[in-house]
Amino acid sequence: TQLLEQSPQFLSIQEGENLTVYCNSSSVFSSLQWYRQEPGEGPVLLVTVVTGGEVKKLKRLTFQFGDARKDSSLHITAAQPGDTGLYLCLGGPYNFNKFYFGSGTKLNVKP
Amino acid sequence: DVKVTQSSRYLVKRTGEKVFLECVQDMDHENMFWYRQDPGLGLRLIYFSYDVKMKEKGDIPEGYSVSREKKERFSLILESASTNQTSMYLCASSRGLAGGRYEQYFGPGTRLTVT
Repeated sequence: TQLLEQSPQFLSIQEGENLTVYCNSSSVFSSLQWYRQEPGEGPVLLVTVVTGGEVKKLKRLTFQFGDARKDSSLHITAAQPGDTGLYLCLGGPYNFNKFYFGSGTKLNVKP
Repeated sequence: DVKVTQSSRYLVKRTGEKVFLECVQDMDHENMFWYRQDPGLGLRLIYFSYDVKMKEKGDIPEGYSVSREKKERFSLILESASTNQTSMYLCASSRGLAGGRYEQYFGPGTRLTVT
């Protein structure tokens, strides 16, 4: 059973389009992180959200934490080929030492 | 900047060999983690350490052990490598559990192939 469900699993879009990736759970998390991973590399931290309802912006990326701290979304405006990668959400901790990654969204932005 | 380094980027070992993967972080983080990442299965936690000499099993500890003798170093040991342990291994570190923020910082990964 996946504690954190990400959707969609795959996304292939043209440069300039907008997109939203979702990370959903039935459990409450004290914090949630978003990462981007390129092939053959480790995930790189993009943002942490801690407060329910929190919205954070990182250039063209907007991250939102749900009011109940059970879900989060990542919105990319005017996607660029450099945004291509695997996007992962990480929730935790849940019961002391349990950290859960979402299954990931593989994004491909075509020029 | 937080830096997490892993001893090898690529490793090829034979079935039955003992394999050591080492991870070093330079940010005085209390927590260190070992994950494996496989296509279709995502990242799965193998072991977690919250202090020197302290360890907790993750979701898939079978066939692995860990060692943390110094705060900055966390080793993953495959006692007798098997082909189903072929994978990408990722090490991460984070601050301790106080404070509400648990960002994990990852190393570049070790691609292990067991033949």
